[in-house]
Amino acid sequence: AQSVTQLDSHVSVSEGTPVLLRCNYSSSYSPSLFWYVQHPNKGLQLLLKYTSAATLVKGINGFEAEFKKSETSFHLTKPSAHMSDAAEYFCVVSDRNFNKFYFGSGTKLNVKP
Amino acid sequence: DAGITQSPRHKVTETGTPVTLRCHQTENHRYMYWYRQDPGHGLRLIHYSYGVKDTDKGEVSDGYSVSRSKTEDFLLTLESATSSQTSVYFCAISESRSTGGDTQYFGPGTRLTVL
Repeated sequence: AQSVTQLDSHVSVSEGTPVLLRCNYSSSYSPSLFWYVQHPNKGLQLLLKYTSAATLVKGINGFEAEFKKSETSFHLTKPSAHMSDAAEYFCVVSDRNFNKFYFGSGTKLNVKP
Repeated sequence: DAGITQSPRHKVTETGTPVTLRCHQTENHRYMYWYRQDPGHGLRLIHYSYGVKDTDKGEVSDGYSVSRSKTEDFLLTLESATSSQTSVYFCAISESRSTGGDTQYFGPGTRLTVL
């Protein structure tokens, strides 16, 4: 069975400093992986996705993630945090047939001025 | 923004009553999903649809049923609501099941409280 573990429930950074949100996955096949962002009282929006092409994936708003099969990780990074990045971030893994999607429990990012 | 609406946006109901939530899309996307969001659990898939009258269960489908009689509408029904079904419900759509999985677009959510 597939599953996703987001290693930090809360991350706090200062504006202008790097962001690292950690995600490990478990899967018996080569999965597709996604990061979604949810701003307060809003729906979710796709940041980026990995679908077995390049292992370094670039997304919107300066975010990127690297797929590391040997470490079963898909960590999300950004070189310089902005106040508008404060939100909750979800790592997601697909099932084998790309019909179902399994969300991690989320990481809330706080950005301090 | 993808054209997805959910109704109602907020609902308070009592234990044992039936509840139907509606998801409406104007994108003509084939796939539609219902999720629930609870603190500490992220989003969990309840049911999904891959076409008109074609649906399948997700990981937390007990106590829920769905119907899709038209491409644009996907209904989620709680036959007899329980307090454990208090949650925020999100509808999502995607255009296809392309290799690797397609982007999902999410609605604004419905906050359901069961007393």
